[in-house]
Amino acid sequence: GAVVSQHPSRVICKSGTSVKIECRSLDFQATTMFWYRQFPKQSLMLMATSNEGSKATYEQGVEKDKFLINHASLTLSTLTVTSAHPEDSSFYICSAGDRLGVVANEKLFFGSGTQLSVL
Amino acid sequence: LAKTTQPISMDSYEGQEVNITCSHNNIATNDYITWYQQFPSQGPRFIIQGYKTKVTNEVASLFIPADRKSSTLSLPRVSLSDTAVYYCLVGDYLQGGKLIFGQGTELSVKP
Repeated sequence: GAVVSQHPSRVICKSGTSVKIECRSLDFQATTMFWYRQFPKQSLMLMATSNEGSKATYEQGVEKDKFLINHASLTLSTLTVTSAHPEDSSFYICSAGDRLGVVANEKLFFGSGTQLSVL
Repeated sequence: LAKTTQPISMDSYEGQEVNITCSHNNIATNDYITWYQQFPSQGPRFIIQGYKTKVTNEVASLFIPADRKSSTLSLPRVSLSDTAVYYCLVGDYLQGGKLIFGQGTELSVKP
């Protein structure tokens, strides 16, 4: 099946620094990718929809200047957490599908997630 | 987007069959029903998907009644490694629909 690679798997940073998380579709092209965050014992919360070659669409309550998304190619989307603070500590997950917008029964493939800890 | 409701948690023992039911009363005509599995500190993994009646693959079965207002994921003969959170999602991705996760069901399999 399709593979989505996410890096890094874990990052620890100081408060005020920025952190970049990469999401790559390894064997397919993804015009659309999704970014989620997940707190312990909670479900995944959709943060934004990343669209290749255009601006990302953010969910209500998600600060676009705080969470910068770049989808510069059909296989790579990046999420940059700017000026990170302890409350940004969370598990971040990306996902992508190779048939979004083509078929109704798309199955998404997820990255392995990035655990961000802000000290 | 159709909202889903699942039991928050379930317990089972190794070797038993586990059935997890999801309610989606507002499912739309073009929506598909998809189940994902998530282990701690990992991204979700696709398990099974269906539109109506019954679907079976190598790991699970999915039962969908005629009115499609609910669905049941059936895991045959669970093992300890099936301990995970299971999410039921409904949606139509032809229009680039978003994947919104509900609360999920935390399944605990005991020896």
